[in-house]
Amino acid sequence: SQTIHQWPATLVQPVGSPLSLECTVEGTSNPNLYWYRQAAGRGLQLLFYSVGIGQISSEVPQNLSASRPQDRQFILSSKKLLLSDSGFYLCAWSSGYLAEQYFGPGTRLTVT
Amino acid sequence: SQKIEQNSEALNIQEGKTATLTCNYTNYSPAYLQWYRQDPGRGPVFLLLIRENEKEKRKERLKVTFDTTLKQSLFHITASQPADSATYLCALDGGNFNKFYFGSGTKLNVKP
Repeated sequence: SQTIHQWPATLVQPVGSPLSLECTVEGTSNPNLYWYRQAAGRGLQLLFYSVGIGQISSEVPQNLSASRPQDRQFILSSKKLLLSDSGFYLCAWSSGYLAEQYFGPGTRLTVT
Repeated sequence: SQKIEQNSEALNIQEGKTATLTCNYTNYSPAYLQWYRQDPGRGPVFLLLIRENEKEKRKERLKVTFDTTLKQSLFHITASQPADSATYLCALDGGNFNKFYFGSGTKLNVKP
């Protein structure tokens, strides 16, 4: 069966510090991968998606970036965090067309 | 881009009744639409998918309708239970089949 992992579960970082969130998927190959952010009481905002290694599409201009160094690994990064980067970050995968998304447990990021 | 509207007010119903949640969208018609359930502090969990050429889809106590003329999907939970209390999100494909846009969700409270 497929499993998606995210870490860390929670993170408190000062403004201006770097960020690296990692997501890995097991039990499938060539998945579509996604990063979402959810502000408190809000819906999911699509940040990045990837259909293959090295292929990243950005949805929202921001100081975040994403990379996919391996087929089942997706990384979200920032060089300098802003207060507005606080939120609940979710990684997800799907197998493609007409497929549902499977979400990881999420990372709660607080920028102070 | 797509604008997706879900009732931001919580829906409070009595156990045993049918809960009906609404998802409205503007702009282009999606090829398919999905519904997810999200519990506090957790990632969304897929429930149902309905294609543009399907008017209705059922799974156990769940039913989804899709009206492309009204640009609306309805999500029904029959014989609701307190365990159904959660936030329900709709998601539409983003014009290509590799990305999705989510509504902000509607919180359902089922009272015993």
